[in-house]
Amino acid sequence: DSGVTQTPKHLITATGQRVTLRCSPRSGDLSVYWYQQSLDQGLQFLIHYYNGEERAKGNILERFSAQQFPDLHSELNLSSLELGDSALYFCASSGGLDSGNTIYFGEGSWLTVV
Amino acid sequence: SQQGEEDPQALSIQEGENATMNCSYKTSINNLQWYRQNSGRGLVHLILIRSNEREKHSGRLRVTLDTSKKSSSLLITASRAADTASYFCATPPRGGQGFSFIFGKGTRLLVKP
Repeated sequence: DSGVTQTPKHLITATGQRVTLRCSPRSGDLSVYWYQQSLDQGLQFLIHYYNGEERAKGNILERFSAQQFPDLHSELNLSSLELGDSALYFCASSGGLDSGNTIYFGEGSWLTVV
Repeated sequence: SQQGEEDPQALSIQEGENATMNCSYKTSINNLQWYRQNSGRGLVHLILIRSNEREKHSGRLRVTLDTSKKSSSLLITASRAADTASYFCATPPRGGQGFSFIFGKGTRLLVKP
């Protein structure tokens, strides 16, 4: 158990809908990362938050947004969903801001868009 | 942002054999990390090697780093069926405010019993 908790574990929704994925980082970790993993794209970095502030952005679509709250949990909002958004979404956390840290992954949220 | 590229994309070996996976990256790094992912599960950190280290061991894992060639290798000795997984390298960029922890597409290892 990595200590990173993601909910829901599985989600099926229709095209055009909006969903929110939730992540609780390891106790004390200030950094939260979101990744999307699909069969054809591998593990894609979406966004990194540190202590409530956005720190780095990857290939995150405009239809997607994220935030990190004062209690350090994070949410990834996916809107106007398309079939191609079906993927496994991971949250990860680490203790600090610098690159010397190991990051710890949650078990992911499986999103199926039908 | 940087990206580690693993090679080969897929590897199939018999139990007891050694498995070697390679990773190449593009720019200067502070460290390079290897992760493992069982099918449909989260990635698990295996080992970190710093830029001033050339080799590191952890159990049956041996990692080498050649900063002049911008490459790393992960060797799993005496492989077991339970080692079947995908293996990723990650190369956090040096410096800057925050960083994007980029992973390659991974090497899919199949260890046949």
